[in-house]
Amino acid sequence: GAVVSQHPSRVICKSGTSVKIECRSLDFQATTMFWYRQFPKQSLMLMATSNEGSKATYEQGVEKDKFLINHASLTLSTLTVTSAHPEDSSFYICSARETGVVNEQFFGPGTRLTVL
Amino acid sequence: DQQVKQNSPSLSVQEGRISILNCDYTNSMFDYFLWYKKYPAEGPTFLISISSIKDKNEDGRFTVFLNKSAKHLSLHIVPSQPGDSAVYFCAASFSGTYKYIFGTGTRLKVLA
Repeated sequence: GAVVSQHPSRVICKSGTSVKIECRSLDFQATTMFWYRQFPKQSLMLMATSNEGSKATYEQGVEKDKFLINHASLTLSTLTVTSAHPEDSSFYICSARETGVVNEQFFGPGTRLTVL
Repeated sequence: DQQVKQNSPSLSVQEGRISILNCDYTNSMFDYFLWYKKYPAEGPTFLISISSIKDKNEDGRFTVFLNKSAKHLSLHIVPSQPGDSAVYFCAASFSGTYKYIFGTGTRLKVLA
């Protein structure tokens, strides 16, 4: 099956710093990628939809200036958590939809962010 | 406003028996449903899906049932195996949006 990677798998940073998370589709082209956030024992909450070559679409309540998304190529989307605070600590997961395939998303392994 | 709900946070089943995981949704416009399996600190992996034009889809040990009038779907795993122990999420989507709305998850534990 299609493979999606995320880097880093885990990051610890100080409050006030910015953290970049990469999401790559390894063996397919992804016009659309999605970023999710999961708090402990809770559901995966969609944060934003990232479309190659255009601006991301953010879900209600998600600050676009806080969570910067760049989908510069058909295989790479990045999420930058700017000026991170402890409440941003969470598990961030991306998924990718293969171009031309309607209803299938492949998920990355996730990134555990801890902000001290 | 939780549009997709999994009311059982956990379920324990004996190995070899049937596991039934339930999911309810509120928006009748959802037309595609999926089940994902997730281990801790990993991304979800796809299990099985069903379109709203069907009421049943089967893939090996996994069967998903959809009851549109009740806005309810269920995942049956039979026979259950210890390796099935994980958190199971149902998800719903609208055609053309490609966005998934996930339920809150059910932790399944299959006892050997």
